[in-house]
Amino acid sequence: GAVVSQHPSRVICKSGTSVKIECRSLDFQATTMFWYRQFPKQSLMLMATSNEGSKATYEQGVEKDKFLINHASLTLSTLTVTSAHPEDSSFYICSAIRGLAGQETQYFGPGTRLLVL
Amino acid sequence: SQQGEEDPQALSIQEGENATMNCSYKTSINNLQWYRQNSGRGLVHLILIRSNEREKHSGRLRVTLDTSKKSSSLLITASRAADTASYFCATMGVGANNLFFGTGTRLTVIP
Repeated sequence: GAVVSQHPSRVICKSGTSVKIECRSLDFQATTMFWYRQFPKQSLMLMATSNEGSKATYEQGVEKDKFLINHASLTLSTLTVTSAHPEDSSFYICSAIRGLAGQETQYFGPGTRLLVL
Repeated sequence: SQQGEEDPQALSIQEGENATMNCSYKTSINNLQWYRQNSGRGLVHLILIRSNEREKHSGRLRVTLDTSKKSSSLLITASRAADTASYFCATMGVGANNLFFGTGTRLTVIP
């Protein structure tokens, strides 16, 4: 089956620093990837849609200058949390779409746990 | 918010019993999907049901969809301790390719 990886799986950083999280589709090309955030014991919240070669589409309430998304290739999307603060500590999950229009399936990465001290 | 709601929020049953989780959503959908998530782990796709389908089976899983009520249910029969996890429904809107997740049900199966 399709595989999506994320790197790093876990990161601890100091408040004020920036953190980059990578999402890769390992055996397929994905023109569209999604970034989700999940707080402890809560559901996944869609943050943004990452489109290869164009600007990301952010959901309401998500600061685009805070969460920078780059989808420079068909197999890689990156999420950079800029000037991270403790409230940004969360589980970040990406997914990539594979398949023909109308038959797409989303494949999820294993997630990245971010802890901001 | 397009986030759906699930009930119950938490469910605790004995091994061998059936578990039923319900999901309600707000907008018209193309399909609805159910996922499982073990604590602190990634998502596992369980089953997808399209808007023109009413029921779908996969192994011990049975999913129903009632688009008139904007609701779905997931039934796990003959539960096992390994089924302990959080279960989420997620909807894909008409003409969309993104998913909106429900609030989740935390299932505990007691051996």
